[in-house]
Amino acid sequence: EPEVTQTPSHQVTQMGQEVILRCVPISNHLYFYWYRQILGQKVEFLVSFYNNEISEKSEIFDDQFSVERPDGSNFTLKIRSTKLEDSAMYFCASSEVKRAGEQYFGPGTRLTVT
Amino acid sequence: SQKIEQNSEALNIQEGKTATLTCNYTNYSPAYLQWYRQDPGRGPVFLLLIRENEKEKRKERLKVTFDTTLKQSLFHITASQPADSATYLCALAAGTGFQKLVFGTGTRLLVSP
Repeated sequence: EPEVTQTPSHQVTQMGQEVILRCVPISNHLYFYWYRQILGQKVEFLVSFYNNEISEKSEIFDDQFSVERPDGSNFTLKIRSTKLEDSAMYFCASSEVKRAGEQYFGPGTRLTVT
Repeated sequence: SQKIEQNSEALNIQEGKTATLTCNYTNYSPAYLQWYRQDPGRGPVFLLLIRENEKEKRKERLKVTFDTTLKQSLFHITASQPADSATYLCALAAGTGFQKLVFGTGTRLLVSP
């Protein structure tokens, strides 16, 4: 069964450093998402991406964040200058359809900022 | 303000019983509501989607109801098994184009043998 994959599974970085989290969505999906989950809290939407552009973003997704689909398979989330509060699980998701269709989540990248 | 509320206390039930989880929302008019399962340290896994014009949806041992008047969804697992132990998340599709999923905090279900 096709699945979303994410690398790395765990990333430790120092405050102020740049990180890139990578995702390979399901191959025939057209809509891509990033969510995050701070330990013990709810899953929060960051951004949605379609047709090589951001279609929606949350207040969390400020200028420190960017997304890219550099080739036909990868989808990346870059955090330019990490802060302690960026420590969280970051989940990539993809869906076939736009309008409220089910989303398929990857296993997540645990980001620890020290 | 907009809220999605799920019972934050864990639900403990015995194997074979029916588990019922509740999701209440305020200040949303969702066209769709979804339920996901999340295991510790893992990503959410899609279970069921129900539309506003559907009262009930079933999939194997799972059943979801959606009452837009009460602004509530109930999620049932019949003949529960220890393998059903997990956190169950309610999510509403929101935002322009309903792409953004807004999740509740989840309810942890523990099924004892």
